[in-house]
Amino acid sequence: NAGVMQNPRHLVRRRGQEARLRCSPMKGHSHVYWYRQLPEEGLKFMVYLQKENIIDESGMPKERFSAEFPKEGPSILRIQQVVRGDSAAYFCASSPRSIQGTGELFFGEGSRLTVL
Amino acid sequence: AQSVSQHNHHVILSEAASLELGCNYSYGGTVNLFWYVQYPGQHLQLLLKYFSGDPLVKGIKGFEAEFIKSKFSFNLRKPSVQWSDTAEYFCAVNQKSNYQLIWGAGTKLIIKP
Repeated sequence: NAGVMQNPRHLVRRRGQEARLRCSPMKGHSHVYWYRQLPEEGLKFMVYLQKENIIDESGMPKERFSAEFPKEGPSILRIQQVVRGDSAAYFCASSPRSIQGTGELFFGEGSRLTVL
Repeated sequence: AQSVSQHNHHVILSEAASLELGCNYSYGGTVNLFWYVQYPGQHLQLLLKYFSGDPLVKGIKGFEAEFIKSKFSFNLRKPSVQWSDTAEYFCAVNQKSNYQLIWGAGTKLIIKP
């Protein structure tokens, strides 16, 4: 059973460009979470999605950031018009049920975004 | 706002030394508690978790953690560390009423052979 797959692992963008980060959850997992980690900080929750639905996006910046988890295909975190402050590691995690039920998230290896 | 504090950002120990990593959280309600570990070059993985019951929980690789509700703490312990325990350790807290995990900043543990 393949783990959570994230790509690209490393992404370099210039200010103003768009960044798209993809996450394929583990087989059978319909719950996806996106987290952001800045240097020397813990992970910060961004968004929680189930298939085709955004359940909680309270951690997402109101502008430029969006996330989706379509019926078919990976979950995508999209950052428009990137700025230097968006440089971070973005982690995706999946679970077969809500974290309140299982308590365990399965993480991908992260996508490291660098904005020049 | 809820927060999770890990007291040490960097810890260096020799093999066979005992380990205790501190974790305190600020939320006063009912919580689930976790320790995750990230070995060099690998993804985050669950080390152990507390939902309810016995406050002393045992995880993989000889790790254990004790939930002390009165102190809002969930410290991670291992009686004798090995070089392979070199990793970054994260404490995380989930309020039972929502989906979010609140994370500590992590502790980088280096074990000298």
